[in-house]
Amino acid sequence: GESVGLHLPTLSVQEGDNSIINCAYSNSASDYFIWYKQESGKGPQFIIDIRSNMDKRQGQRVTVLLNKTVKHLSLQIAATQPGDSAVYFCAENMGTGRRALTFGSGTRLQVQP
Amino acid sequence: DTAVSQTPKYLVTQMGNDKSIKCEQNLGHDTMYWYKQDSKKFLKIMFSYNNKELIINETVPNRFSPKSPDKAHLNLHINSLELGDSAVYFCASSQALRTLSYEQYFGPGTRLTVT
Repeated sequence: GESVGLHLPTLSVQEGDNSIINCAYSNSASDYFIWYKQESGKGPQFIIDIRSNMDKRQGQRVTVLLNKTVKHLSLQIAATQPGDSAVYFCAENMGTGRRALTFGSGTRLQVQP
Repeated sequence: DTAVSQTPKYLVTQMGNDKSIKCEQNLGHDTMYWYKQDSKKFLKIMFSYNNKELIINETVPNRFSPKSPDKAHLNLHINSLELGDSAVYFCASSQALRTLSYEQYFGPGTRLTVT
């Protein structure tokens, strides 16, 4: 079964606001986490990743936070734009030696103009 | 353009038919995958090949058979299609050797509709 899940299926924000998408995982052995963005009719696109030896990583307008104590991952998007509207997935590698990602159920981000 | 490509993008067929989906990547990656995305957007891995060798085979009916003629191609053949096979199928690739990243690059997807 899945070990990665999301708290909110849909998140609606105003353009210009910051967005926070949350993800809970249950496998404490997971050593790598990744966020993907999937726009309608397209395949998932890489946003940012983080290894388990880090607790924060920043990209362009995005920040991923990892809290291993409570097995929680979040994606923060600064100054959300209409083009950020999509379904966001977190995924983990469970540290089993297999190069496989287990995906969460996704959160739809809707940006209101 | 460097990318993962899939054909066809849309596939409509009747129950009981046999169909194939093709995938090609020109990224020079050594590992390729097939995922199934259901109507609720849940993405689940089906197969993974590394250098033409099957390394992941999740609980998938025997009607699904992947074939990797070379490192750049991973095709998916489905026999005796059923209504429940309707989904979007994504191909992905990644580089396993000499990298710490598990990033996978996804194709545009093939929407399969079984009637």
